[in-house]
Amino acid sequence: DQQVKQNSPSLSVQEGRISILNCDYTNSMFDYFLWYKKYPAEGPTFLISISSIKDKNEDGRFTVFLNKSAKHLSLHIVPSQPGDSAVYFCAASSYAYSGAGSYQLTFGKGTKLSVIP
Amino acid sequence: DVKVTQSSRYLVKRTGEKVFLECVQDMDHENMFWYRQDPGLGLRLIYFSYDVKMKEKGDIPEGYSVSREKKERFSLILESASTNQTSMYLCASSLGRSGYTFGSGTRLTVV
Repeated sequence: DQQVKQNSPSLSVQEGRISILNCDYTNSMFDYFLWYKKYPAEGPTFLISISSIKDKNEDGRFTVFLNKSAKHLSLHIVPSQPGDSAVYFCAASSYAYSGAGSYQLTFGKGTKLSVIP
Repeated sequence: DVKVTQSSRYLVKRTGEKVFLECVQDMDHENMFWYRQDPGLGLRLIYFSYDVKMKEKGDIPEGYSVSREKKERFSLILESASTNQTSMYLCASSLGRSGYTFGSGTRLTVV
């Protein structure tokens, strides 16, 4: 049972335009969400996060929006650049899990973003 | 910056071999994790550890074991490698509920 879903395996966007990557979750106990970016043959790197007490968090060209009632979050990249081409993973965690489980992140399957020059 | 180092970038092993994947972090993080990444399946948790000598099964522990004898080192062991264990293996560490820091990954091919 997939608790974090990224329903678009891939996305293509023109350079300079907005990229919107979506993520849905089913576990209402999730209270902290993160986005990771992964280039081929490298480990994922942390991009941006959001706590459930917020509905928006910005860091430069990257903004994450959280809609708790819809159990949906999105990552906006504006403007998109060719160097943004990578696989993006959405992840979530929950304080409700006991002990070590609270440290565990549940990942989506990823969306491959291609930014076309 | 936290550094997570995985001992090998690429490995080729034969079916039935015992395989050790090593991971070392240098920032005194409590938690360490092993994932595998496969196309279309994303990142799947194999095992994790929140303290020395402690380990917890993840979503896909079958065919794997782990060892954490020191805080900075978390080893993944494939007891008898099989071709379906060909994958990218990613180690990560974290402090409390902070985000993970990942290593660069080990691309394992079992022939």
